[in-house]
Amino acid sequence: EAGVAQSPRYKIIEKRQSVAFWCNPISGHATLYWYQQILGQGPKLLIQFQNNGVVDDSQLPKDRFSAERLKGVDSTLKIQPAKLEDSAVYLCASSLALAGGYEQYFGPGTRLTVT
Amino acid sequence: KNQVEQSPQSLIILEGKNCTLQCNYTVSPFSNLRWYKQDTGRGPVSLTIMTFSENTKSNGRYTATLDADTKQSSLHITASQLSDSASYICVVRPSNTGNQFYFGTGTSLTVIP
Repeated sequence: EAGVAQSPRYKIIEKRQSVAFWCNPISGHATLYWYQQILGQGPKLLIQFQNNGVVDDSQLPKDRFSAERLKGVDSTLKIQPAKLEDSAVYLCASSLALAGGYEQYFGPGTRLTVT
Repeated sequence: KNQVEQSPQSLIILEGKNCTLQCNYTVSPFSNLRWYKQDTGRGPVSLTIMTFSENTKSNGRYTATLDADTKQSSLHITASQLSDSASYICVVRPSNTGNQFYFGTGTSLTVIP
């Protein structure tokens, strides 16, 4: 079974530039999560989708971050404009369904460096 | 306030030795607790999951224990191997919300030959 795919794996941009990350979840997984993991910390949930609808985006900095999952499969996370403090690993995860008993499967992450 | 705290922050052990990582949480009511292993440059991978009614769960050389009364969990690694070097993250899910997971900051384990 293919895992969660993310691209790019690494990205270096200057502050105030824009960047987009892509995630392809495991086939058949209805729930998709985007996390931000700052070095030395645990992942922090940014946004959660159930199919193509947003379930929770309470911790997403909406003035600069946006995400979509238009067809309920792939998802993109965008930052515009980037700040130095956005330097982190952005993890995508998926699970079969919303309920807490279902396992979350994580992708390898995209490491963003903002200079 | 719902929190998950892990200790120690980092740990270095010799190959072949055992170690125990701790997770204390204040999340309540509680649904389940997971331990993840995160290798450098990779996403977290699930090791164990326990509901509030379970006391212990094993996965090979990894054994997780849970005391729901004291809100403590531990992850015991037996006969450590170099490949155990990673960050170990404790994640707690409350039972009164549909979506939220509370992540600890992780314990960074280094196994040296």
